[in-house]
Amino acid sequence: EAQVTQNPRYLITVTGKKLTVTCSQNMNHEYMSWYRQDPGLGLRQIYYSMNVEVTDKGDVPEGYKVSRKEKRNFPLILESPSPNQTSLYFCASSPDPRGGSYEQYFGPGTRLTVT
Amino acid sequence: GIQVEQSPPDLILQEGANSTLRCNFSDSVNNLQWFHQNPWGQLINLFYIPSGTKQNGRLSATTVATERYSLLYISSSQTTDSGVYFCAVERGGTGRRALTFGSGTRLQVQP
Repeated sequence: EAQVTQNPRYLITVTGKKLTVTCSQNMNHEYMSWYRQDPGLGLRQIYYSMNVEVTDKGDVPEGYKVSRKEKRNFPLILESPSPNQTSLYFCASSPDPRGGSYEQYFGPGTRLTVT
Repeated sequence: GIQVEQSPPDLILQEGANSTLRCNFSDSVNNLQWFHQNPWGQLINLFYIPSGTKQNGRLSATTVATERYSLLYISSSQTTDSGVYFCAVERGGTGRRALTFGSGTRLQVQP
């Protein structure tokens, strides 16, 4: 089954304790990105990647890191989480848009609470 | 940036009723998607519809790109249709491919 998976789905952690949220897709997509969803602010893009070893900032990159060492994986790293990073996080992927536009596929979400 | 407006913001229906949700956007787009966010927070892809009409069971969608709007139709609504429906658009021409989401329509279907 074609899908985007995220782990963990739920996480409660404490300020300053490094964590990684994994994202994996099995559709051979070049493009991947991360969003966070907050009440009243909607979904905002954090980082995106056009292909392996190619990443760039979205709208709200502060406090996050990403890496793209393999095509299928795009982990989101919080080096020193703070309470304002409490949010619902989504990973998305899409085929390379060369020559046209393509649907974006979203993972099931990771609900993160930082105390 | 592009603006996306959804209406109505809230909708309460009795089971079996039909409804139409609207999405207006302020500029030309090369991608438009409808999502359903269920009570557990999952974003479910409903339609990829930058133009034209599509149907999937009780749901259908129409996008009139030249007039910058899209409609989502839900027929014979069920309680499982409850949740928030989002329209999201992508401008194109940029590698960032960021989707701009509307603020959503919160649908409650009562038995």
